[in-house]
Amino acid sequence: EVQLVESGGGLVQPGGSLRLSCVVSGFTFSRYYMHWIRQAPGKGLEYVSVISNDGNIASYANSVMGRFTISRDDSKNTLYLHMDSLRTEDMGVYYCARDGQLDYWGQGTLVTVSS
Amino acid sequence: DVVLTQSPLSLPVTLGQPASISCRSSQSLVFSDGNIYLNWIQQRPGQSPRRLIYRVSDRDSGVPDRFSGSGSGTDFTLKISRVEAEDVGVYYCFQGTHWPRTFGQGTKVEIK
Repeated sequence: EVQLVESGGGLVQPGGSLRLSCVVSGFTFSRYYMHWIRQAPGKGLEYVSVISNDGNIASYANSVMGRFTISRDDSKNTLYLHMDSLRTEDMGVYYCARDGQLDYWGQGTLVTVSS
Repeated sequence: DVVLTQSPLSLPVTLGQPASISCRSSQSLVFSDGNIYLNWIQQRPGQSPRRLIYRVSDRDSGVPDRFSGSGSGTDFTLKISRVEAEDVGVYYCFQGTHWPRTFGQGTKVEIK
């Protein structure tokens, strides 16, 4: 069974940092592109970042470029999102998803940015 | 970036009646391999998103056959033949052809 489990969310002050993790199981992690997508409270889905299966290609939404870094550790079956200089508009639920066509999603982890 | 425009944004439906959601793309979604990577995602209240339809019309495993997708080029449609209570939620189209990937604004389906 394919599973994606996010963690690392929490309360952080504006300007602070967080690192999100997504541990996967049930498939060969190293074969897939992986994504982070977020959802602000009461809003729609927003694409955040993607990393290629070999880790050599990463892409970011303009809204997070230069502040967020996506990475992966295939030995740990884990996807990461390191978030710096957090703003109130970064607040929401962050989901990881598999493959270019987002065939499987995790349950999400909540990031709250507030002083 | 590719803009996906959904309509309507709110869709009240009577149980057992059909429902239809439109998704229009600002540019062609035909990929170089000839496929069209237009997908539909369902998000029930309080749940994480789930993909329903991929490549315009292919249903994901476990998706009831009352859900169907169609379209080509830049115009796409998700249809529910007979709405059931469990279909309440928000439906998003999502394109996997161009980078960055983009979503439609979402259509909220509710029961009248």
